[in-house]
This record gives sequence, structure tokens and C-alpha cells, in this order.
Amino acid sequence: DVVMTQSPLSLSVTLGQPASISCRSSQSLLYSDGNTYLNWFQQRPGQSPRRLIYKVSNRDSGVPDRFSGSGSTTDFTLKISRVEAEDVGVYYCMQGTHWPWLTFGGGTKVEIK
Amino acid sequence: EVQLVESGGGLVEPGGSLRLSCAASGFSFSDSTMNWVRQFPGKGLEWVSSITSSGSPTYYSDLVKGRFTISRDNAKNSLYLQMNSLRAEDTAVYFCTRDSSTSAPFYWGQGTLVTVSS
Repeated sequence: DVVMTQSPLSLSVTLGQPASISCRSSQSLLYSDGNTYLNWFQQRPGQSPRRLIYKVSNRDSGVPDRFSGSGSTTDFTLKISRVEAEDVGVYYCMQGTHWPWLTFGGGTKVEIK
Repeated sequence: EVQLVESGGGLVEPGGSLRLSCAASGFSFSDSTMNWVRQFPGKGLEWVSSITSSGSPTYYSDLVKGRFTISRDNAKNSLYLQMNSLRAEDTAVYFCTRDSSTSAPFYWGQGTLVTVSS
């Protein structure tokens, strides 16, 4: 199985300040079609997860542009340029390259300082 | 409006069975690969099973293979998960999801709680 490792476990951020979450995979996520199927999900308190980013850096419809994804092969990053109160929640990376054996990172909890 | 509505969760004793259902609306269910994903009480997420749009092939996590069966009824826009020989470690919220690796949305239901305990 592909193991996804996120860091940090939690992040306390001042409103308006940036935040960065790291995700590392135990195997390359570069697929034979040239795409890298790395996704980021946000789960707000009491809600189901919601996808923010697909294929490393593509924002889903309606996702604010303060969210950005980057990385390649085994190392990926989700950045929030200016944290807002509505960004509180847990963020998960998920690889889809080795579909159907989807695997998730352990999650990073973002809170406001 | 897209909706995925799970049902069928509850409290069951170890060794027991449950059948989860997911009613889909607002998107082309019959063209969609669907998954079951679970979330443990400690909040970790784990893929459980997937089924292609036609109903075959199906795929399972090693942790549930031989005990769980995924199926679908495209005429009823419904997804199912038959869970047998349940164990305490199967306790989780089970989400029905529409799979997507592209710009098409990756939809999630609201989840249904399964508790395995005596």
C-alpha cells in the first residue's frame, strides 16, 4: 500500500497569516499517463470532507484562490496564503494514482491562534 | 442539487451484519464510479471499496475483502454495502462517494455511523 504521511499534525495560525501543510507518499504518484493524482480535502467541524485540489495543483470549482497546491513525485504541499476563520478544520491529502487502492494522509488540524 | 444520502448504519454485535444504502441524485449516477470510504472515531479516513459504473469489476481493501460486498442498482440510483462478520475495528462513519480524478467533483454523502459492540 502507498503510505501518505502528513505534517504537521496540527497548526495554529493567526488570521491573515499563511499556512502550509506537507504530504509525502511512500511511492511515486506519477502515473503512466503523465498525471500525478494527488488530491487535498478539507473537513470542517461537523461536515463531510470536501475536495479542494485535484492533480496536485488544480482547484475545484468554488475553492478560493488563497488555496494552492504544489509538488511532484512524492512530496506535496497545500498552502493557504491568508488564513480565514472558515478555514478551520482538518486537511487530508489522498493519492488516486494507485486507484482503486486510494490512501489518505493522517490529517492536519488547522485552528486559529 | 447533488445529493448522496447514506442509510442503514446502527449498533450491531460482533459477528453481525448490516447493509448500508446510498441514494444518489443530481448527477449521472450510472456513469460514475462509486466508493465507500470510512472515517474512524479518531478521524482517520480509509478507503473501503469501489465499484465501476457498470457494476463490475469491484475492489476491496484487504481489511474487508471476503466480509463486505459492494453493489449498485443504476435503475434506482443506489449504491449498497453488505457488511458481514463485523468486528469492533469496523466501527466508523461510512461515506458514500462519487469518485473523480479530474475536474468533475468528488462528491461525499453525510455518512452513516456503524458501531460494532456487544
